[in-house]
Amino acid sequence: DAGITQSPRHKVTETGTPVTLRCHQTENHRYMYWYRQDPGHGLRLIHYSYGVKDTDKGEVSDGYSVSRSKTEDFLLTLESATSSQTSVYFCAISELNPFSFSSSYNEQFFGPGTRLTVL
Amino acid sequence: AQKVTQAQTEISVVEKEDVTLDCVYETRDTTYYLFWYKQPPSGELVFLIRRNSFDEQNEISGRYSWNFQKSTSSFNFTITASQVVDSAVYFCALSEAFEGGGNKLTFGTGTQLKVEL
Repeated sequence: DAGITQSPRHKVTETGTPVTLRCHQTENHRYMYWYRQDPGHGLRLIHYSYGVKDTDKGEVSDGYSVSRSKTEDFLLTLESATSSQTSVYFCAISELNPFSFSSSYNEQFFGPGTRLTVL
Repeated sequence: AQKVTQAQTEISVVEKEDVTLDCVYETRDTTYYLFWYKQPPSGELVFLIRRNSFDEQNEISGRYSWNFQKSTSSFNFTITASQVVDSAVYFCALSEAFEGGGNKLTFGTGTQLKVEL
């Protein structure tokens, strides 16, 4: 199993409070991702990182920010949590395959998830 | 824009029955990859298979098989002789490369499979 941990695993917070979720990997993979999972939507990409200090937005990035100061850590921050951000959050990692011509080949390995409830 | 449709929200079968999970996708890319992931009740996501768009050979792995048909933009997943341990949510996903490397997975909404004794 890929070495990916997420913390906390569960969190309950109140509307308007800041929340930071952490993803930690021991695989030295270059690419890291944050997804959210909601009923009826599957998983949707929030932000991703293609290297230390290199990040970009996904399809549902409003209300979220990320930071990556080390290869192994990718932080997701909700500056002011809202009830619509109640969800299960998954971190994922991937690495380039030197034998593939496209990075679309890369499988992503997922962390165990964080269940966030915003009251 | 990429899109993945899993029209079956929930399927219930009796153990030992065969079951097929449907996946239909939309993309403008001529070369792409498709994935299936399994999410058991414990919640983690488990990679099952990757398939590229230029290889239409069916793939079999034990009781699992996948049928990729580019002409109908489908990538269906069949479980033969289902078992209770197969009970899970199954996701189909379409991969899109990012310019800086890495890739975005566009997931379908998932199919909940329940296998009963």
